[in-house]
Amino acid sequence: DIVMTQSPDSLAVSLGERATINCKSSQNILYSSINKNYIAWYQQKPGQSPKLLIYWASTRESGVPDRFSGSGSGTDFTLTISSLQAADVAVYYCQQYYSSPYTFGQGTKLEIK
Amino acid sequence: QVYLVESGGGVVQPGRSLRLACAASGFTFSSYGMHWVRQAPGKGLEWVGVIWYDGSNKYYGDAVKGRFTISRDNSKNTLHLQMNSLRVEDTAVYYCARGFCDSINCHNLLDQWGQGTLVTVSS
Repeated sequence: DIVMTQSPDSLAVSLGERATINCKSSQNILYSSINKNYIAWYQQKPGQSPKLLIYWASTRESGVPDRFSGSGSGTDFTLTISSLQAADVAVYYCQQYYSSPYTFGQGTKLEIK
Repeated sequence: QVYLVESGGGVVQPGRSLRLACAASGFTFSSYGMHWVRQAPGKGLEWVGVIWYDGSNKYYGDAVKGRFTISRDNSKNTLHLQMNSLRVEDTAVYYCARGFCDSINCHNLLDQWGQGTLVTVSS
């Protein structure tokens, strides 16, 4: 199974500042023939269901603000929020969909400093 | 508007069975793979399993393999999760979620989620 490890487990950032969350996969999740990384990022606000933010490592889902961006390739990936808003307080998860079981990271809790 | 509505959760004793349902609307259900994901109280997301759009293939997470079975009825736009031999550690909110499809292919990321149904396994 592919293990997804996020860092840090929790993060406190001031409003308007940058937040960076990392995700490392235990094996390569780049499908080289099509040059796509099989990783998605989700946001789960308190009391809500998860919401898809980014897929293919860097493609924003429709309606997601452009302050959210994803990067990385192979085994190391990053979710960046360029200017933190109060509405961004949530737990963020990465997920690999390269091979079954389609595992999630343990989550990163993002709070306001 | 896509709707996924789970039902069937409740309190059940260890070793017993429970069947969850997910009613889908607002999209062509028979064209999408469907997933179950669970979340234990205060914990992270755990992928449970997937069933392909036509029911031809199913894959499960290690923790539930051999005990849980996913099925679907495309004529009724309904997804099911049959949970047998339940354990205390199966206590969680269970979400159904839709697999992502673009113009070319479908993939196992999750673009629409239900609100979840709580399953509590306790004696």
